[in-house]
Amino acid sequence: EAGVAQSPRYKIIEKRQSVAFWCNPISGHATLYWYQQILGQGPKLLIQFQNNGVVDDSQLPKDRFSAERLKGVDSTLKIQPAKLEDSAVYLCASSLDRVGHNEQFFGPGTRLTVL
Amino acid sequence: DQQVKQNSPSLSVQEGRISILNCDYTNSMFDYFLWYKKYPAEGPTFLISISSIKDKNEDGRFTVFLNKSAKHLSLHIVPSQPGDSAVYFCAASAWAGNQFYFGTGTSLTVIP
Repeated sequence: EAGVAQSPRYKIIEKRQSVAFWCNPISGHATLYWYQQILGQGPKLLIQFQNNGVVDDSQLPKDRFSAERLKGVDSTLKIQPAKLEDSAVYLCASSLDRVGHNEQFFGPGTRLTVL
Repeated sequence: DQQVKQNSPSLSVQEGRISILNCDYTNSMFDYFLWYKKYPAEGPTFLISISSIKDKNEDGRFTVFLNKSAKHLSLHIVPSQPGDSAVYFCAASAWAGNQFYFGTGTSLTVIP
């Protein structure tokens, strides 16, 4: 079974530029998560989708971050414009469902450096 | 507000000895706890979990202990192997919503 795919793996941009990340979850997984992991910290949830609907985006900085999951499969996370403090690894994860304790499977992440 | 805390950023252990990684939480609604292992340039991978109805769960060399009254859990690795060298994250969730709250991680180095 293929795991969670993410691209690109690395991205370097200058502040005020825009960037987009892509995630393809495990086939059949209804729930998709985007996490931000800043160096030295644990992953922090940015947004959670159930199929193509947003379940929780309370920690997403909506003035600059946006995410969508069209057709309930792939997802993109966009930052526009980027700030220095957005430098982090962006992790995508998926699980079978959101209710109950379903294991989350993580992709390899995208390391973003904002100069 | 950090609801899950791992107070030891790093730990070094000799091969063959026991590794003990600790985790504390503050939210009494958490009823499910997990440990994830992360190698450099990879995403976290699930290691072991425990429900709040138990106080111990074993899987091979890995055992997780839960002390609900102290809001504390620990991961024991016996015997430790060099391949166990990684960053270990503790995570917790409540039944509804399946959102995981992660600790800051402990970097384990197993010395051959």
